[in-house]
Amino acid sequence: ETGVTQTPRHLVMGMTNKKSLKCEQHLGHNAMYWYKQSAKKPLELMFVYNFKEQTENNSVPSRFSPECPNSSHLFLHLHTLQPEDSALYLCASSQLANPGGYYEQYFGPGTRLTVT
Amino acid sequence: GQQVMQIPQYQHVQEGEDFTTYCNSSTTLSNIQWYKQRPGGHPVFLIQLVKSGEVKKQKRLTFQFGEAKKNSSLHITATQTTDVGTYFCAVPMEYGNKLVFGAGTILRVKS
Repeated sequence: ETGVTQTPRHLVMGMTNKKSLKCEQHLGHNAMYWYKQSAKKPLELMFVYNFKEQTENNSVPSRFSPECPNSSHLFLHLHTLQPEDSALYLCASSQLANPGGYYEQYFGPGTRLTVT
Repeated sequence: GQQVMQIPQYQHVQEGEDFTTYCNSSTTLSNIQWYKQRPGGHPVFLIQLVKSGEVKKQKRLTFQFGEAKKNSSLHITATQTTDVGTYFCAVPMEYGNKLVFGAGTILRVKS
């Protein structure tokens, strides 16, 4: 599946580094999401963008900074991360549903992040 | 906020045996979705259930939505090694286009 792509696929960074994760969707969707998946926790929603406007920040620490320049691209800027931030970061996209409806989400392959 | 409990956390079956995972909510759901994540992969959408008592089938997979729309199940008949992975249910939050995922059920199949 190449509908949602993410780069890089793997990233190792020190706690003082600054890096960015990139996500691109080729499905014509107008909502994009960042999730964090840790080994022993369920999928955690981090941010939601509808028509490139942020509509949800799920109490995410400020060391994670999202950016959505258009409906097809989503970035997650990382700085001064902690070892406990090591996880799989997944991007997803979907159509926006009418009230009462809902569309499925399409996930990218994820970025496996290790903070040393 | 919306929460959903998924059980069991883990199941290891012999190839050919059946498998079932359950999702339960304390509140009435508008709909429920199911996803599968293969080891080393990402979640992939399987199906969405909307109607009370709805039953949908995909080959050996049977999905059910409870009459009260508070629970759902995914049943796999005669598991195969290709069924291994983590199965998640996901339900919409009260507002906005956001999903809450269950903790997932990890399925291992021994051949």
